Amino acid sequence: GAVVSQHPSWVICKSGTSVKIECRSLDFQATTMFWYRQFPKQSLMLMATSNEGSKATYEQGVEKDKFLINHASLTLSTLTVTSAHPEDSSFYICSARDLGRGLYEQYFGPGTRLTVT
Amino acid sequence: TQLLEQSPQFLSIQEGENLTVYCNSSSVFSSLQWYRQEPGEGPVLLVTVVTGGEVKKLKRLTFQFGDARKDSSLHITAAQTGDTGLYLCAGDSGGYQKVTFGTGTKLQVIP
Repeated sequence: GAVVSQHPSWVICKSGTSVKIECRSLDFQATTMFWYRQFPKQSLMLMATSNEGSKATYEQGVEKDKFLINHASLTLSTLTVTSAHPEDSSFYICSARDLGRGLYEQYFGPGTRLTVT
Repeated sequence: TQLLEQSPQFLSIQEGENLTVYCNSSSVFSSLQWYRQEPGEGPVLLVTVVTGGEVKKLKRLTFQFGDARKDSSLHITAAQTGDTGLYLCAGDSGGYQKVTFGTGTKLQVIP
């Protein structure tokens, strides 16, 4: 149980375009989803926390107008990178947790590799 | 800001050797998780420790939560090449607070 999927797994886009990444909890309801960014050989950097039906809470230094997060249902959150630039190229990972069930651990998706050319 | 420092940052050992990874903080956590991540994939949860002084074993992996719930260790016995990966600890302050991830330990097990 506690499977999280991400789509797409890898995307290449041109500078200036927008990219949407989906994160789904497949067998549980995710009251909270987290979006992380990870650079090579480094740990995860939290970008934002989203609770179903409310606005996401962004970490300091993360532009909310550039990284749009929508958590419209208990099983789906999306991250849209708007007007992408090469410096946005990174590995983006989502995770989900269900505090309502006492599921305190985060379960991670497989990640999305974004390359902006 | 809560910080979780992991040591060492990088470890390369021969197959069959033992190793210990440390996760230290000045903050108290209600629980602490350990994850392993392989390149190009998301982290996979290995264990959650909740009680101060708790020890959990997962085959050749032994996890310990410090008595004060500020630190943790991961000990691997007779490492195998399949243990290669990035090990991350993550501290949870409970409730709806976010989880703090450690700085990571890159383990390479050489055959």
